[in-house]
Amino acid sequence: KQEVTQIPAALSVPEGENLVLNCSFTDSAIYNLQWFRQDPGKGLTSLLLIQSSQREQTSGRLNASLDKSSGRSTLYIAASQPGDSATYLCAVRDSNYQLIWGAGTKLIIKP
Amino acid sequence: NAGVTQTPKFRVLKTGQSMTLLCAQDMNHEYMYWYRQDPGMGLRLIHYSVGEGTTAKGEVPDGYNVSRLKKQNFLLGLESAAPSQTSVYFCASSSNGGAGTDTQYFGPGTRLTVL
Repeated sequence: KQEVTQIPAALSVPEGENLVLNCSFTDSAIYNLQWFRQDPGKGLTSLLLIQSSQREQTSGRLNASLDKSSGRSTLYIAASQPGDSATYLCAVRDSNYQLIWGAGTKLIIKP
Repeated sequence: NAGVTQTPKFRVLKTGQSMTLLCAQDMNHEYMYWYRQDPGMGLRLIHYSVGEGTTAKGEVPDGYNVSRLKKQNFLLGLESAAPSQTSVYFCASSSNGGAGTDTQYFGPGTRLTVL
């Protein structure tokens, strides 16, 4: 059974720092992996989607990588800003085409 | 466009009461989903629908029922609420079920407390 883990559960860094969020999954048979952002009291917003054949995707200051063989993905945020404060979730689409979610990393950027 | 909307935003129920959560989307999406989110856990799929008039069970369907009478609406019902159903409920929709670069669009959530 596919399991998705995100460590740490919470992270606090000063504004301006570059940071990396981690996501690991137990079964490498995936179709794709997505990173979402969740703001308090709001729904989730898709940030980046990486197909199983891809190694990375970039959008602005965000870069997501995928290493299927090791079951890992990272979300790199450059030059962090207070507005980046949110919970970041990763989800993999498994061999049954279901989305399996991590519990998320709560990120706080201190001004 | 409103995207995905959910009604109500908050609700408190007593054990044994029933209620219906309404999800509406204006993107003409075929697929709709109901998730629950509990502290320290990832989202878990309750039920989903691949089109008007269809529904299917997800990972945690017990204690819930759903209906998709109209393409734009997906209703989640709790017939006899239990404290274990205290959670935040999210509705989502997508155009083609995740094929290719398809992604899900989420509503703002409903926070349900069962006493």
